[in-house]
Amino acid sequence: DTGVSQDPRHKITKRGQNVTFRCDPISEHNRLYWYRQTLGQGPEFLTYFQNEAQLEKSRLLSDRFSAERPKGSFSTLEIQRTEQGDSAMYLCASSSGTSGTDTQYFGPGTRLTVL
Amino acid sequence: GENVEQHPSTLSVQEGDSAVIKCTYSDSASNYFPWYKQELGKRPQLIIDIRSNVGEKKDQRIAVTLNKTAKHFSLHITETQPEDSAVYFCAATDSWGKFQFGAGTQVVVTP
Repeated sequence: DTGVSQDPRHKITKRGQNVTFRCDPISEHNRLYWYRQTLGQGPEFLTYFQNEAQLEKSRLLSDRFSAERPKGSFSTLEIQRTEQGDSAMYLCASSSGTSGTDTQYFGPGTRLTVL
Repeated sequence: GENVEQHPSTLSVQEGDSAVIKCTYSDSASNYFPWYKQELGKRPQLIIDIRSNVGEKKDQRIAVTLNKTAKHFSLHITETQPEDSAVYFCAATDSWGKFQFGAGTQVVVTP
């Protein structure tokens, strides 16, 4: 399967714990995006990378969230001291090229439940 | 920043009828407008997209129109089938090339 993959698919954690998600983009895609999606809403932009550089981070993203893409391939999203409001589907997408007009291909998402 | 509004939030149609979903955007620099279909529990899948240098694009039963002056674009599905039932999202790029998504339209096609 050459599509975007994410791991884990589901994560249940207790409030205050740290969690880390992984995204593997389509091979050789330059851009990688993280989104958060809650029930009944469209994906909400969190951050994105061009190769290994993190180009932008949403102002809505608290300091508890951090993302890396150390070698320009896979990326990790970490949430520290999770809160119940962090419960959502976390989607990763990747695109080729270096402009925002390239098609973004989404992964299956990681569903986070914070108890 | 970019703001995308999508209407209606739900749409029920009889099988064989047409469905139309409309989106408006605020950033005049936006130049790429994709539409995604998301079935329950699955990832968003691109179904059609349009760039700002064209006004209409069609792919079988699906078409998208773009009015740059009015800053709105629409998705048209003809001869709807039960498998068209899903949530549809529009999106527009902002000045930095990031996607801003609409809130989605739940389409229900009844036999």
